[in-house]
Order: sequence, then structure tokens, then C-alpha cells
Amino acid sequence: EAEVAQSPRYKITEKSQAVAFWCDPISGHATLYWYRQILGQGPELLVQFQDESVVDDSQLPKDRFSAERLKGVDSTLKIQPAELGDSAMYLCASSPPPTRGGKNIQYFGAGTRLSVL
Amino acid sequence: AQSVTQPDIHITVSEGASLELRCNYSYGATPYLFWYVQSPGQGLQLLLKYFSGDTLVQGIKGFEAEFKRSQSSFNLRKPSVHWSDAAEYFCAVGGNTGFQKLVFGTGTRLLVSP
Repeated sequence: EAEVAQSPRYKITEKSQAVAFWCDPISGHATLYWYRQILGQGPELLVQFQDESVVDDSQLPKDRFSAERLKGVDSTLKIQPAELGDSAMYLCASSPPPTRGGKNIQYFGAGTRLSVL
Repeated sequence: AQSVTQPDIHITVSEGASLELRCNYSYGATPYLFWYVQSPGQGLQLLLKYFSGDTLVQGIKGFEAEFKRSQSSFNLRKPSVHWSDAAEYFCAVGGNTGFQKLVFGTGTRLLVSP
């Protein structure tokens, strides 16, 4: 069964350093999402891509976060500089296109657990 | 704005007993509703979904959920809980046009006692 791949699984960094997370969606999934999940809370959307275009980044802290999906396949989420409050699980998800019965069904990767010291 | 409320932060159920996890949503139109399960340190796995039609939907692992429009609820149930069901459960609401974002509740942690 195809899965959303994320790396690394765990990342420890010091505040003010730069970090990057990578996501490879399920093949053929045009829509890709990055969520942040703070401990004890549900995931919250940071950014949504349709192919290589950003369709929603209203909750992305743009002063320090950036995301790209240059070829419309895999994606990178970057934080620079990292702050203590960025410690969280970062989840990537993807959805198939409507013609393949997508209907907003999102498939999640295992996530990257970030700890900022 | 859409929102999801899961009023129970923790629930403890004896193995073999029945389970019901509550979910209430707020959405201005006909919603898409989802239940996901998350094991510690893992991503989210889709348990079931409601788009339209029959208000009782069946999912994986023996779970089911009932959509009640009049109560704005989408409660998750299982007739007999297994120890392996211990995890965090998230209810989510999404739009039924395009690929609108999912809004998640804060989750309910299920503990299963022997």
C-alpha cells in the first residue's frame, strides 16, 4: 500500500538554527498539505499545495516558515530561525484528485517530531 | 468558521466493553466528516468518513460512526474494545467543495484497562 513518506522522523535542534523537513506524497496525489500538531492538540494546517501552487498559507508564519513544491511532487518545509515554540509534530498529507474519488480524503505520513532546545 | 469539539480529553474503557467517543462540529454547509486514529509518535490513520447518504457509516477495525445533523454530531462507536485500540482519536470536518482544509478537534485519548 502506497504511503506518504516523511523525513527525518525526529529532529533536535537549538533555537535560532535552521531546520528542514521533507515529504513525498502518494504517487498521483496532486494536493499536498503540511500540518503542525502541538502536543495534546489536533493538527492545524500550515500550508496547502495544489500541484506546485500554494492555495492556502494563511496560517503559515511567513517570517520564519517557508514551503515549496517545485515540481509538484515532493515538498520541503523550512523553519529559519527555529524558536522554542516550534517544538511539535509536523505532519504531511496528500489527497488524490477529484477524478479519482478524492473527496478531500487526506492520507497522512508518520510525521517529523521537532524538538527545539 | 468551521470547528470541532471533542468534549472528552481522556476515556478509560475495560477491554471488551463498548465505546462511544463524542464529536460535535460547526460548519455552515453540508460537511464532510472524518475520524482518524493516531498511535503514539505516529501519523494519522483514517478510520471512517461521511460524505452523504446513509448516516451510519462503517470503518476499519470494527468502528462505526453516526451522523446526526440535528445535533451536529458525529460520534464514534465500537461494540467491543480491544487493548490494541488504545490511541488518540481525532474527529475532523472538511468542506465538500474542492479540497478545503480539514479542521480537527483536540482529540480524545482512549485508555483500555484489562
